[in-house]
Amino acid sequence: QQKVQQSPESLIVPEGAMTSLNCTFSDSASQYFAWYRQHSGKAPKALMSIFSNGEKEEGRFTIHLNKASLHFSLHIRDSQPSDSALYLCAVSGNTGYQNFYFGKGTSLTVIP
Amino acid sequence: NAGVIQTPRHKVTGKGQEATLWCEPISGHSAVFWYRQTIVQGLEFLTYFRNQAPIDDSGMPKERFSAQMPNQSHSTLKIQSTQPQDSAVYLCASSLGNYAEQFFGPGTRLTVL
Repeated sequence: QQKVQQSPESLIVPEGAMTSLNCTFSDSASQYFAWYRQHSGKAPKALMSIFSNGEKEEGRFTIHLNKASLHFSLHIRDSQPSDSALYLCAVSGNTGYQNFYFGKGTSLTVIP
Repeated sequence: NAGVIQTPRHKVTGKGQEATLWCEPISGHSAVFWYRQTIVQGLEFLTYFRNQAPIDDSGMPKERFSAQMPNQSHSTLKIQSTQPQDSAVYLCASSLGNYAEQFFGPGTRLTVL
């Protein structure tokens, strides 16, 4: 079964800062990697996803995937108070099934 | 589109009682997932249906948990003889297909006294 770990557990940054969140996983055969964001009391919502090694940018958000090093990261440029949330790393299993294995999350607080 | 609907939003049971949680996926989505979220364990996968067929229940505690999807418009998660350690937010999600975005419902907060 896929093991997913996230670091740090929590992070406080000032508004405008660059924020970096990390995720490691145990099985390089996984096909699909995603970041979800969960605001307090709300349901998780997909942020970005990637299938292959490399980088993907959407607005202020960039994700990096390196399957050989079992590492996946999310970078937030010009962090805003509205970015304050729990960020969940999701990695698919290696069997072709669609279920995700999630990390425990990084709690991000952006201070105005 | 109303999104994924989960009922009830909150449920309180006594130890040993049964709890049934309901999920209505987004119309047209072929996959339905159940997860459980706690502070200590995070978001844990429980089970998954594709086109109403059970595909993977590797995350389900076998003895007291069961899930069904009798039709394409709803799925149920049943917990028999609930225990305090079952207290959690139970989340249902649906998606269009392989490696597609999962859309989560608001969750059912189960409290077992």
